[in-house]
Amino acid sequence: DAGVIQSPRHEVTEMGQEVTLRCKPISGHNSLFWYRQTMMRGLELLIYFNNNVPIDDSGMPEDRFSAKMPNASFSTLKIQPSEPRDSAVYFCASGQGNTIYFGEGSWLTVV
Amino acid sequence: QKEVEQNSGPLSVPEGAIASLNCTYSDRGSQSFFWYRQYSGKSPELIMSIYSNGDKEDGRFTAQLNKASQYVSLLIRDSQPSDSATYLCAVPMYSGGGADGLTFGKGTHLIIQP
Repeated sequence: DAGVIQSPRHEVTEMGQEVTLRCKPISGHNSLFWYRQTMMRGLELLIYFNNNVPIDDSGMPEDRFSAKMPNASFSTLKIQPSEPRDSAVYFCASGQGNTIYFGEGSWLTVV
Repeated sequence: QKEVEQNSGPLSVPEGAIASLNCTYSDRGSQSFFWYRQYSGKSPELIMSIYSNGDKEDGRFTAQLNKASQYVSLLIRDSQPSDSATYLCAVPMYSGGGADGLTFGKGTHLIIQP
């Protein structure tokens, strides 16, 4: 299996622009997660889907962030409008059993 | 909110020695524990999981769990420069196990000195 696939790998955008991050989970995994990693806060869970249904979005920082999972093989995380403090690495992960597997991450810089 | 605490380091260990990484957790009800390794610029990868008190060995890695003390550790024997990375301790966010999401510590930065 190719693992969790994320795109884009790197994104530099101007403040106020819309950012869309994409994720293809590992086939057969029922759970999908979006994490954000910064030096200050470490890895934070933003939102968790199970069988394409959002289960817990309490980690989404504010209304500027939204996530969707229209089918079992695709999810998006959108930031609109983006702000410099959104600069971070955004990881998508999928899970089965007691293990979750991370994608390579999307490195976002908002200037 | 479950919390996982780790010393951020850096922890510097000479090549060939034993590296000891420690983690404490807040939720006494946690039943499973995970160690992830993250190289600089890369994503976290699972290296060990442990569910029962005591030791679990996998090659050069040994995970140790003490639920009474809410303490889990990772020992790396015969440390190699390739072990230099950040090691993240994690516990499930919910009761269903790791596939329902993990809460991570901020990680310990390990440096193996040749």
